[in-house]
Amino acid sequence: AQKITQTQPGMFVQEKEAVTLDCTYDTSDQSYGLFWYKQPSSGEMIFLIYQGSYDEQNATEGRYSLNFQKARKSANLVISASQLGDSAMYFCAMEASNDYKLSFGAGTTVTVRA
Amino acid sequence: DVKVTQSSRYLVKRTGEKVFLECVQDMDHENMFWYRQDPGLGLRLIYFSYDVKMKEKGDIPEGYSVSREKKERFSLILESASTNQTSMYLCASSSPGLEETQYFGPGTRLLVL
Repeated sequence: AQKITQTQPGMFVQEKEAVTLDCTYDTSDQSYGLFWYKQPSSGEMIFLIYQGSYDEQNATEGRYSLNFQKARKSANLVISASQLGDSAMYFCAMEASNDYKLSFGAGTTVTVRA
Repeated sequence: DVKVTQSSRYLVKRTGEKVFLECVQDMDHENMFWYRQDPGLGLRLIYFSYDVKMKEKGDIPEGYSVSREKKERFSLILESASTNQTSMYLCASSSPGLEETQYFGPGTRLLVL
């Protein structure tokens, strides 16, 4: 079974600053995918960014980037230039290649202050 | 535009009632999933389906069953609701493939009294 750990239950960040959300994972699979989702207070899960285990470059999507360190089994999300609308819960998730299923971490709540 | 819809946003039921949660996707996805979300636990997979009439247990299937008679529809059934099934329920769908993201519905907040 895959295990995802997000050690930060909550974080505060000043508007326009960058914030890093930690995620570590545990798997014996060689091929896997890592996902980050955002969940605003409305409840819907929004896909942010994907990193494949064989991707050599860190994934980026606009203000989101993924700091992927395979040897350390970590996949931290970096949000640059935080905006008030970034206030939400953020989930890290992993899918193994032989599995359709996503395993999720417990989530990190981000609050952006003006 | 990608769309996953769930039959109710909020639901209040009594202990012992049979509860149906419906999920419909319009993306012709093969895979569909039911999760429950509880504070501090993230999302936990209840059941998933990779084809019509096919289903597999997730991590916490006890007390639940599912039905997938059509590709676009995946139903979660609580045979006899209990108070510990009070939770947020999220449905998702995806295409097969490691890089394929799951698309989520808006969620159903279920309260069992």
